[in-house]
Amino acid sequence: RKEVEQDPGPFNVPEGATVAFNCTYSNSASQSFFWYRQDCRKEPKLLMSVYSSGNEDGRFTAQLNRASQYISLLIRDSKLSDSATYLCVVNPAAGNKLTFGGGTRVLVKP
Amino acid sequence: NAGVMQNPRHLVRRRGQEARLRCSPMKGHSHVYWYRQLPEEGLKFMVYLQKENIIDESGMPKERFSAEFPKEGPSILRIQQVVRGDSAAYFCASSPGTVTTTEAFFGQGTRLTVV
Repeated sequence: RKEVEQDPGPFNVPEGATVAFNCTYSNSASQSFFWYRQDCRKEPKLLMSVYSSGNEDGRFTAQLNRASQYISLLIRDSKLSDSATYLCVVNPAAGNKLTFGGGTRVLVKP
Repeated sequence: NAGVMQNPRHLVRRRGQEARLRCSPMKGHSHVYWYRQLPEEGLKFMVYLQKENIIDESGMPKERFSAEFPKEGPSILRIQQVVRGDSAAYFCASSPGTVTTTEAFFGQGTRLTVV
């Protein structure tokens, strides 16, 4: 089983719609969770950290479910510029490194 | 404050040659990480370094790959005797502290093509 698993998509989303997707992680002792965004062939950039209580940043909402070992990302009022690959990232319990999921591709269409 | 700088951006090597990838972390960042991304796949951790020390190399192939982060100068990822399977994007990231408490910033990557 992969350490971090994501549905690769693509999720085809009409502009203005809401899209949500999850990511599961295998290490129950994982400490930190993040969503990164990667545009085609470019470097990943931090979108938001994910806190235990859930958190929101503008149109983006992230949730953490430790019992079921998944995190989620919800995008409201999708914009064309939201088209990208969203990477679920986990910092395992041991060591100082980030473990990436394979990414979920989102395509927002007019 | 310039971001994480990687060079070259693109590198073409013939099978059997050596590839040297450079990464200059952001000013004030002492933690450096190297990741490899194969086409259509996610990023895979390779190695984590602090100045002059390799902290975690659990993701590095046992042979042909090495990394360093000297006291002066950039971090270097070195691949000896490259093979076609080494073709990938290699990303470097840096952070001022551990990634549990601080953000990691990524460079634009070096795209290695082995022909």
